[in-house]
Amino acid sequence: EPEVTQTPSHQVTQMGQEVILRCVPISNHLYFYWYRQILGQKVEFLVSFYNNEISEKSEIFDDQFSVERPDGSNFTLKIRSTKLEDSAMYFCASSLTGAGANVLTFGAGSRLTVL
Amino acid sequence: EDQVTQSPEALRLQEGESSSLNCSYTVSGLRGLFWYRQDPGKGPEFLFTLYSAGEEKEKERLKATLTKKESFLHITAPKPEDSATYLCAVQARGGSNYKLTFGKGTLLTVNP
Repeated sequence: EPEVTQTPSHQVTQMGQEVILRCVPISNHLYFYWYRQILGQKVEFLVSFYNNEISEKSEIFDDQFSVERPDGSNFTLKIRSTKLEDSAMYFCASSLTGAGANVLTFGAGSRLTVL
Repeated sequence: EDQVTQSPEALRLQEGESSSLNCSYTVSGLRGLFWYRQDPGKGPEFLFTLYSAGEEKEKERLKATLTKKESFLHITAPKPEDSATYLCAVQARGGSNYKLTFGKGTLLTVNP
């Protein structure tokens, strides 16, 4: 069964460092997303991406965050200068369509620990 | 603002003991309500989408139902492998096609 692949599975970084989380969405999917889950809290929407541009972003997704699809297969989330509160599990997801109630397929997540 | 509240926060069942999980929601027009399963350290795994009040969907021991204000996930004769966190999420009509608003989930433990 097709799956969304995320790397790394766990990254530890120092506060103020840049981090790039990588995702390979399902190959025929057109819509891409990042969500995050702080330990013990809800899964929260960060950003959606379609046709090489951001479709929607949440208030969490400030200027420290950026997304990119550098080639035909990868989708990345960059955090420019990490803060302690960025420690969370980051999930990439993709969907075939954005129309209607689209079904998102999630990856296994990248755990980010900021020290 | 869209809101999703799930109850109970945690539920312990004996194998074979049926029960239900609740998801209450407020949304400015429902486009879809989603149930996902999440195992520890993993991403959410899609189970069901429900679109309108009265709709029901089934998969093995799970059955999801929907009213105008809440959804139930009924678990019939659960097995230990059904142990997981069950997440409910809504997608609102009229706004973005993309954003899911999740509840905190119900942690289900099924003891053998």
